[in-house]
Amino acid sequence: DQQVKQNSPSLSVQEGRISILNCDYTNSMFDYFLWYKKYPAEGPTFLISISSIKDKNEDGRFTVFLNKSAKHLSLHIVPSQPGDSAVYFCAASAGSSNTGKLIFGQGTTLQVKP
Amino acid sequence: DTEVTQTPKHLVMGMTNKKSLKCEQHMGHRAMYWYKQKAKKPPELMFVYSYEKLSINESVPSRFSPECPNSSLLNLHLHALQPEDSALYLCASNRGPAEIINEQFFGPGTRLTVL
Repeated sequence: DQQVKQNSPSLSVQEGRISILNCDYTNSMFDYFLWYKKYPAEGPTFLISISSIKDKNEDGRFTVFLNKSAKHLSLHIVPSQPGDSAVYFCAASAGSSNTGKLIFGQGTTLQVKP
Repeated sequence: DTEVTQTPKHLVMGMTNKKSLKCEQHMGHRAMYWYKQKAKKPPELMFVYSYEKLSINESVPSRFSPECPNSSLLNLHLHALQPEDSALYLCASNRGPAEIINEQFFGPGTRLTVL
């Protein structure tokens, strides 16, 4: 039972354009969502997060949107750069559980072409 | 210091060996985590330590034994592993599991190969 799903295994965009990575979840108890970026042979690097009390959070070129009614979140990267090429994982947690447990999606491999 | 460090970077061991993975953070975080990641899969939680006490064991086989000697250190002791245990083992930390706005910081991982 996959509670966090990233249905697109890969995405290719041109440098300078917008990259949109999508994530769906099923557990309505999730109240905190994160995006991580991972290069090969490295640990995931935290990118941006959003609490369920918000519908948008922005940090430089990265914006995360949350649609609670649709149980959907997306990460927008504008403008995309070749250095953004990596695997992107979305993750969710239920803060009220007090466990700190993160549930990760399967990941989307982003390729930004020069 | 905003880093989680892990040693060794790579480890090759036989099925009868005993080895340990080490993780360290000096951010004052009170929760530390072990994850296992297989190729092209997401990280899977193994253990959570909160204030140096084991709070979550995700039904991990006993051949994996975690230890938290102090608030900055986390070890994973390995014994009698199987080839299917070969994976990237990731350590992470954050301020504490009960804090909602609370991203986990990951170390670079230990690439483990069991022969």
